[in-house]
Amino acid sequence: DAGVIQSPRHEVTEMGQEVTLRCKPISGHDYLFWYRQTMMRGLELLIYFNNNVPIDDSGMPEDRFSAKMPNASFSTLKIQPSEPRDSAVYFCASRRQGANYGYTFGSGTRLTVV
Amino acid sequence: GNSVTQMEGPVTLSEEAFLTINCTYTATGYPSLFWYVQYPGEGLQLLLKATKADDKGSNKGFEATYRKETTSFHLEKGSVQVSDSAVYFCALSEGNNDMRFGAGTRLTVKP
Repeated sequence: DAGVIQSPRHEVTEMGQEVTLRCKPISGHDYLFWYRQTMMRGLELLIYFNNNVPIDDSGMPEDRFSAKMPNASFSTLKIQPSEPRDSAVYFCASRRQGANYGYTFGSGTRLTVV
Repeated sequence: GNSVTQMEGPVTLSEEAFLTINCTYTATGYPSLFWYVQYPGEGLQLLLKATKADDKGSNKGFEATYRKETTSFHLEKGSVQVSDSAVYFCALSEGNNDMRFGAGTRLTVKP
């Protein structure tokens, strides 16, 4: 299996622009998670899906952030409009049903908003 | 609610030293416990896990034992290498809830 695939690996954009981050989870994994990591705040859960349905989006910082999972093999995290404080590494992770299973993380997207 | 507390870093050791990174947890039921490792520029990788009390997880010379009586899951390695330099995260998962991660402990191993 190729693991969790995220694109792009790096994104530099200007403030006010729309940014779309993409994730392909591992086939057969029922859960998909979006995290943000910064030095100041550490690892933060933004939203997670179960069988393509959003379960908890309480970590989404504000209305500028939105996430979708149109099918079992694809998810997007969109920021519109982007701001410098959104600069972070964004990770996607997936997992099978059941607490005994660990998460598999993607390599992340490093976002820089200038 | 469920939570994980791990020792603050950074931790700096010399090569071949013994490593312990403390982790304690709070949970309402019977969680599964995990250690993840994050190397520079990469995502978190599952290092080891234990799914019930007294289980020992082990991988790459690291090990941790699920201690229900002390609600702990300390990470240990007998002889660290420079290549072990990374950030280590303790985590807890229960039921179908999302996983709870500790704040991470940065380990630097010097030759």
